[in-house]
Amino acid sequence: GDKVKQSPSALSLQEGTNSALRCNFSIAATTVQWFLQNPRGSLINLFYLVPGTKENGRLKSAFDSKESYSTLHIRDAQLEDSGTYFCAAGNNYAQGLTFGLGTRVSVFP
Amino acid sequence: GPKVLQIPSHQIIDMGQMVTLNCDPVSNHLYFYWYKQILGQQMEFLVNFYNGKVMEKSKLFKDQFSVERPDGSYFTLKIQPTALEDSAVYFCASSLGLGALEQYFGPGTRLTVL
Repeated sequence: GDKVKQSPSALSLQEGTNSALRCNFSIAATTVQWFLQNPRGSLINLFYLVPGTKENGRLKSAFDSKESYSTLHIRDAQLEDSGTYFCAAGNNYAQGLTFGLGTRVSVFP
Repeated sequence: GPKVLQIPSHQIIDMGQMVTLNCDPVSNHLYFYWYKQILGQQMEFLVNFYNGKVMEKSKLFKDQFSVERPDGSYFTLKIQPTALEDSAVYFCASSLGLGALEQYFGPGTRLTVL
């Protein structure tokens, strides 16, 4: 987790609220992927980013390669958003992703 | 989205035995990966594979590990012999190719070494 630092490590959200997760990179990253690992353990692809911003429904993500960080914003949190969110740094050479330790998100009514 | 399949979902074996984990990557993908996750914690890269060869491996990819994809069939991870510390969930992933490197992950195989 030293090369990719995720914050916070855990987050408790009331349904309908907004929040932001962050990854800081101490390695050179040219791409970033965000995943949600659900309670069954499956990894769901949320975003694949080169530097820039993407939005998908209530989720929005940004990647700034110069400042070496990425963010994931959750808007209007729903119960099904609960799980562990991982960011992972990648590069242009099809090498293995370097994962952070994850942010455990719990959404409550 | 694209689906990666893994067989079996669970495997329990005795220490010292051989185990083969199978992955069916996305059909037109060219790059294949194995990752290891212990107790739902950090996902760690093991190895990647392209055009019949290992491209890169981490320090976790011990001499007891090997990978292959014979004739476009399953992409496999073989551990021989297994050790207690090999107990983990092993995830397979694949990506299309250079310029399209988004990795898609399978559901994982939970390996328990007794």
